[in-house]
Amino acid sequence: NAGVTQTPKFQVLKTGQSMTLQCAQDMNHNSMYWYRQDPGMGLRLIYYSASEGTTDKGEVPNGYNVSRLNKREFSLRLESAAPSQTSVYFCASRTGVGLAHNEQFFGPGTRLTVL
Amino acid sequence: QKEVEQDPGPLSVPEGAIVSLNCTYSNSAFQYFMWYRQYSRKGPELLMYTYSSGNKEDGRFTAQVDKSSKYISLFIRDSQPSDSATYLCAMSAGSNDYKLSFGAGTTVTVRA
Repeated sequence: NAGVTQTPKFQVLKTGQSMTLQCAQDMNHNSMYWYRQDPGMGLRLIYYSASEGTTDKGEVPNGYNVSRLNKREFSLRLESAAPSQTSVYFCASRTGVGLAHNEQFFGPGTRLTVL
Repeated sequence: QKEVEQDPGPLSVPEGAIVSLNCTYSNSAFQYFMWYRQYSRKGPELLMYTYSSGNKEDGRFTAQVDKSSKYISLFIRDSQPSDSATYLCAMSAGSNDYKLSFGAGTTVTVRA
């Protein structure tokens, strides 16, 4: 199993450009998440999808949109990138069953720089 | 004030020392407590998972939860250079709580 995969690994954008970050999981998990991680700020939730067909805002949703394409895939879109969106983005998924049902599994991250 | 507070460090210890990490929280509904380890330029991975109050031990790692004080700890015994990483605490409320609340993370360096 590959677990949670993310593409691309690195990206540099100019202000105003758009892009989509892709995430896929092969663990048959119901819930998926997008976080951003900035120095000293920990992980902040952008959007999440509790199950296929549903999405909800997290702590910092402004400037982002998401699509839960199917049970495996959850994408994050920046419509008009801003320098404040320079960050490391992590996708995660959650099993929702078993003793450790709240455990989230993380992907390797996407390092995004907006100039 | 943040829901979960964690001292970001950094913390530097000699090899073989005991590393002590902690988090405090304000939401009394939290029942599930986790510690994640994150190596540089990698995604976080679960290290310890505990439910409610008490201690849990796994090899050199011990997690403690004191719900009455809203305080959780992680101890690393006989620390190794391979333990050098950022450690994040995370917590959630009930089984239907889909979200985790994270601390800012503490960066630990174990010197050989």
